Amino acid sequence: QSALTQPRSVSGSPGQSVTISCTGTSSDVGGYNYVSWYQQHPGQAPKLIISEVNKRPSGVPDRFSGSKFGNAASLTISGLQAEDEGDYFCCSYAGSDRLYVFGTGTIVTVL
Amino acid sequence: EVQLVESGGDLVQPGGSLRLSCAASGFTFSTYKMHWVRQAPGKGLEWIAYIYITGTVIHYADAVKGRFTISRDNAKNSLYLQMNSLRVEDTAVYYCVRETVCDFDFWGQGTLVTVSS
Repeated sequence: QSALTQPRSVSGSPGQSVTISCTGTSSDVGGYNYVSWYQQHPGQAPKLIISEVNKRPSGVPDRFSGSKFGNAASLTISGLQAEDEGDYFCCSYAGSDRLYVFGTGTIVTVL
Repeated sequence: EVQLVESGGDLVQPGGSLRLSCAASGFTFSTYKMHWVRQAPGKGLEWIAYIYITGTVIHYADAVKGRFTISRDNAKNSLYLQMNSLRVEDTAVYYCVRETVCDFDFWGQGTLVTVSS
């Protein structure tokens, strides 16, 4: 069960935008509109920030947005803020055999 | 307030067994699909087990299939993970996670399982 591929790290200055890619296959990301994104701060549990490719749960700032094209999904953080520093993981439904697969994770650094 | 509280993590020798529990509160547990997700130290997230609301459908990741057993008791609002034949590579924080529409909307704080001699 191979993990989805994410860049190891991305960085940006406050106010800038950063985009994190999440690359899978036609059996996961490309096959279903069930990509979600999670933010994790050190020592804390992950938190859902994007569901079903581009839906924001209640309370998640609108500077977080998601999209998908083919076998790749993306998370964009616009207007980067210091509190956005942390680890970000994508996740995709992968069918009735594998069920779910997570991405390798991306460290976001605010310069 | 939704809460998921894991317990049962411990230091165990390779080949040993451990049972994790997750106490749910603040929502109608019996109407939600539930999962266990783990995270090895300094590593990414790994989905390992799923159980349907009635317990009639269960799935496992290949890495734990045949060794781990997920179960639930809706009367006690509890989720469980029985882990047998533990390996060093099972060392991780284990999270109890609630599912909504193919995403994981609430996570417990996790319980640490360390497999070492």
